[in-house]
Amino acid sequence: NAGVTQTPKFQVLKTGQSMTLQCAQDMNHNSMYWYRQDPGMGLRLIYYSASEGTTDKGEVPNGYNVSRLNKREFSLRLESAAPSQTSVYFCASTEGHLETDTQYFGPGTRLTVL
Amino acid sequence: GQSLEQPSEVTAVEGAIVQINCTYQTSGFYGLSWYQQHDGGAPTFLSYNALDGLEETGRFSSFLSRSDSYGYLLLQELQMKDSASYFCAVRGRDNYGQNFVFGPGTRLSVLP
Repeated sequence: NAGVTQTPKFQVLKTGQSMTLQCAQDMNHNSMYWYRQDPGMGLRLIYYSASEGTTDKGEVPNGYNVSRLNKREFSLRLESAAPSQTSVYFCASTEGHLETDTQYFGPGTRLTVL
Repeated sequence: GQSLEQPSEVTAVEGAIVQINCTYQTSGFYGLSWYQQHDGGAPTFLSYNALDGLEETGRFSSFLSRSDSYGYLLLQELQMKDSASYFCAVRGRDNYGQNFVFGPGTRLSVLP
């Protein structure tokens, strides 16, 4: 099992450019998440998908859109990148059961917006 | 909403025991979890407390007291490889417990 995979690993954009970050999991998990982590800080939830076909805003959704393409894949799109979106982006997944709380994280995408 | 507070840095020596505290203000949550993150790496799950009390997983233990709005992670027999950042997180009650909020993280440095 590959777990949670993310592409690309690194990306440099110019202000105003758009891009999509891809995430896939092979653990048959119901829930998937997108976080951003700024230097020296904790993770902030951007969007999440509790199940296939549903998406909800997290703490910092402005400037982002998401798509839960199927149970495996959850993408994050920046329509018009801004320097404030320079960050490390992590995708995560969980089974969705309340009795446990194991989030599995992908390796991250390091995004720089110039 | 939820907010969590953690000390920014903790330093300890190899072989020692260290406790990392997490205090929170929340309107309701299902459980408190802990994650470890090495520099340049992804967070990895350590422990979860759904109920008050102590959970033990090898050298790591985690504690939760809902009445005190407080939890902690206890690391025993510290090793150099434990040098990392540690995050507490709560699983909020909205949307059937799918909303996670992370603390700012505590950077642990283990000295020889």
